[in-house]
Amino acid sequence: AQKVTQAQTEISVVEKEDVTLDCVYETRDTTYYLFWYKQPPSGELVFLIRRNSFDEQNEISGRYSWNFQKSTSSFNFTITASQVVDSAVYFCALSEAGYQKVTFGTGTKLQVIP
Amino acid sequence: DSGVTQTPKHLITATGQRVTLRCSPRSGDLSVYWYQQSLDQGLQFLIQYYNGEERAKGNILERFSAQQFPDLHSELNLSSLELGDSALYFCASGGYSNQPQHFGDGTRLSIL
Repeated sequence: AQKVTQAQTEISVVEKEDVTLDCVYETRDTTYYLFWYKQPPSGELVFLIRRNSFDEQNEISGRYSWNFQKSTSSFNFTITASQVVDSAVYFCALSEAGYQKVTFGTGTKLQVIP
Repeated sequence: DSGVTQTPKHLITATGQRVTLRCSPRSGDLSVYWYQQSLDQGLQFLIQYYNGEERAKGNILERFSAQQFPDLHSELNLSSLELGDSALYFCASGGYSNQPQHFGDGTRLSIL
């Protein structure tokens, strides 16, 4: 069985601070895929990034960066110089190979205070 | 715009009733996923269809059923509705499991 844990329920930061959202996963598969999604107050779910289990390279996209570490089963997400528009609920998700369901974490609500 | 269309956007009904939620996947996507998002349960996977066939089942109640039609659109049927079924229901489409899912805007179901 697969499991995704986002221990941080809510985080508040002041604008321009850096913030890291934690994600820890469990799976028995050697091939799996990890995702981050963003859900802004308007409610839609927006795909941010995908990482497969064979690629432990960190990724940076503008102010966003992701740190994938298989040794600790973690896939953390950092926002640098946070902005008010980053306020949203962020979900980490795990999918095993094949046509399998995706398991979502419970989400971390990020509030960026101006 | 994700390319996934869900209708209706809002639905208000009473306990004991039956409703149908509709989803049109993104062009080219063969998989459709249904999720329920409520305040106390978070984002719960319900069921997945791939090219008309059921592929994976999650925490879907027996009162709920779904199908995917030859044109790949999908419907989620909820019957004998209870107050606790009030939630935001998302449809997502994608392909293989290594591909991201693209979500519709959701249907907000309110049971009175």
